[in-house]
Amino acid sequence: GENVEQHPSTLSVQEGDSAVIKCTYSDSASNYFPWYKQELGKRPQLIIDIRSNVGEKKDQRIAVTLNKTAKHFSLHITETQPEDSAVYFCAASWRGTGKLIFGQGTTLQVKP
Amino acid sequence: NAGVTQTPKFRVLKTGQSMTLLCAQDMNHEYMYWYRQDPGMGLRLIHYSVGEGTTAKGEVPDGYNVSRLKKQNFLLGLESAAPSQTSVYFCASSYIQDTDTQYFGPGTRLTVL
Repeated sequence: GENVEQHPSTLSVQEGDSAVIKCTYSDSASNYFPWYKQELGKRPQLIIDIRSNVGEKKDQRIAVTLNKTAKHFSLHITETQPEDSAVYFCAASWRGTGKLIFGQGTTLQVKP
Repeated sequence: NAGVTQTPKFRVLKTGQSMTLLCAQDMNHEYMYWYRQDPGMGLRLIHYSVGEGTTAKGEVPDGYNVSRLKKQNFLLGLESAAPSQTSVYFCASSYIQDTDTQYFGPGTRLTVL
C-alpha cells in the first residue's frame, strides 16, 4: 500500500545552521508533496509544497527538492532560528484518491 | 470566515461510551478528512469524504463511523470507545482533489479511560 518514510525522527541544530529532512514514497503515481509544520499543541500548517512537474521550490529560508526517479523529496531550512523548532511532516498525495499519506514526523530543535 | 472548526476541543470518555466529533468548514470545500495523530506515528487517515452524502475508508477506519449529510459538516462517531482510541483527532478540508492544500482544524484531544 501507500507509504511515506521520513528521516530523521529527531534533529537538533545550532541557530544559524541548516537543517535537512528527507522523505521517500512508494507510489510512482504520486504528484503532490506538501510539508507541514506543527508547533506544540497546534494544528499542522502548510509551509511549502511541490508538484511532480517541478524539481525544486524555494520560499525565503525554506526549500523543497523532488527526485521523482528515486521517489524522494527533501525539506531544507537555512539560517535556522529558535522559532523554527517544531515537528515537521512530509506527505504525498495519490492521484485520483484525494488522500494525503503522511510521514512519521521530524522533531526539529534549534538551539540558541 | 472561521475556516475549519472542531467541537469539542477536549473530551474524556469511559470505555464503551459513545460520542460524536463535529467538523465544520465555511470555505465551500468538497473534500473533508478525519485524521488521528499519535506520538511517533504522524497523522493517519481514518475516513474521508469527496462530497455531500459520500464517505470512504482511510488507513485506520476500524471502530469509527462518519457521516456527511451537509457539505459543510463532517461527523466522526465512536460507537463504543476503547483506550486505543485515545488520540488527537484532526479534521481537514480541501477544494480540489489530490493537489490542493488541506486546511486543518484545531484538533480534539480525546482520552478513553
